[in-house]
Amino acid sequence: DIQMTQSPASLSASLGETVTIECRASEDIYNGLAWYQQKPGKSPQLLIYNANSLHTGVPSRFSGSGSGTQYSLKINSLQSEDVASYFCQQYYDYYTFGAGTKLELK
Amino acid sequence: QVQLKESGPGLVQPSQTLSLTCTVSGFSLTSYHVSWVRQPPGKGLEWMGVIWTGGSTAYNSLLKSRLSISRDISKSQVFLKMNSLQTEDTATYYCARGHGGYLLYWGQGVMVTVSS
Repeated sequence: DIQMTQSPASLSASLGETVTIECRASEDIYNGLAWYQQKPGKSPQLLIYNANSLHTGVPSRFSGSGSGTQYSLKINSLQSEDVASYFCQQYYDYYTFGAGTKLELK
Repeated sequence: QVQLKESGPGLVQPSQTLSLTCTVSGFSLTSYHVSWVRQPPGKGLEWMGVIWTGGSTAYNSLLKSRLSISRDISKSQVFLKMNSLQTEDTATYYCARGHGGYLLYWGQGVMVTVSS
């Protein structure tokens, strides 16, 4: 099974700051990676698919990058509505989620 | 529009079997696969298994011995059955529709507590 290691587990940042969350796969997942945002009490929402494709309606301050085993999610100019948990998910070989990153405002 | 809705008991006794239903609308189960994902309180997401468009299934290796996923195409329903429940199975259970590999549409989730 493919393992996903996500870091950091938690993150505190100021409004307007740029934040980066990373995921490392235990083997090459050939860009089969998605990022989800989950707010408390809500279902996860797709942000990025295929490692770097922005889902329809997602603000352009979100971006994904990476290849092979290393991937990242970047949020430019952090907004208050971005406070949430973020999860990566590989779908190259069935599915595996990262452990998640809880993003808070400083 | 695409919708998924989970239903099932909120409370299950230890060692018993959990049965959940995911009722979908806005798409056919023969066109899109549906996964089950769960989330213990305050913790991360765990993929449980998937039923593919052709009806075959695949399961998380950690749950495979306890888990079964099936469907009724005519009723647009996907079923999850998991036996030998323990307290650590307490979680919110989601069904989600696949789009390619990623999960594009999610249900609202159903909270299941395992307790005597």
